[in-house]
Amino acid sequence: GDSVTQMEGPVTLSEEACLTINCTYTATGYPSLFWYVQYPGEGLQLLLKATKADDKGSNKGFEATYRKETTSFHLEKGSVQVSDSAVYFCAQVTTDSWGKLQFGAGTQVVVTP
Amino acid sequence: GAGVSQSPSNKVTEKGKDVELRCDPISGHTALYWYRQSLGQGLEFLIYFQGNSAPDKSGLPSDRFSAERTGGSVSTLTIQRTQQEDSAVYLCASSLVSSGSYEQYFGPGTRLTVT
Repeated sequence: GDSVTQMEGPVTLSEEACLTINCTYTATGYPSLFWYVQYPGEGLQLLLKATKADDKGSNKGFEATYRKETTSFHLEKGSVQVSDSAVYFCAQVTTDSWGKLQFGAGTQVVVTP
Repeated sequence: GAGVSQSPSNKVTEKGKDVELRCDPISGHTALYWYRQSLGQGLEFLIYFQGNSAPDKSGLPSDRFSAERTGGSVSTLTIQRTQQEDSAVYLCASSLVSSGSYEQYFGPGTRLTVT
């Protein structure tokens, strides 16, 4: 069946380090792909999205490219800040699914000064 | 403008009691979703509303769970005879349209603890 798999955390980084969180999907058809972020004590926020192959989503210095050939949507940031500490969720919306989000397990990122 | 609101923010209940969780979506958003976030199961879809009807209830874990939406706006998720495994954060989200092209806006959640 359809699923989203992302790397397990926690990921601990120093400030200004590069961050990559891997995400792969399994779906019938061509899903829309998302990264959501949950900062400590806050709700889920959309970070970025891509709705078709080769699209690149970007926001707040984060980027992710929809790769159909590898069924991946890896999240990257070149230089993280302490304020990027959060849990990051990869998600998909598959066709004919009424827009419902299917999430990966989440990856906790901890950035230290 | 106002975002998605949920109440209560926290609810502690005894096993076997019924609980009602409320979601007030963004005005004008016709699509409304309930999700559950728990340590063991991650983020799971529960139910989807388009207007007042629920075309997709496939995520409701048992017949103890039900939900309704009235006036195309407020939604209530009801859990009857609560069990300890129902303990989780229940999230509501709304969207203009039920499509992957449209952002879902999430509320802050209701943390349910069943003792």
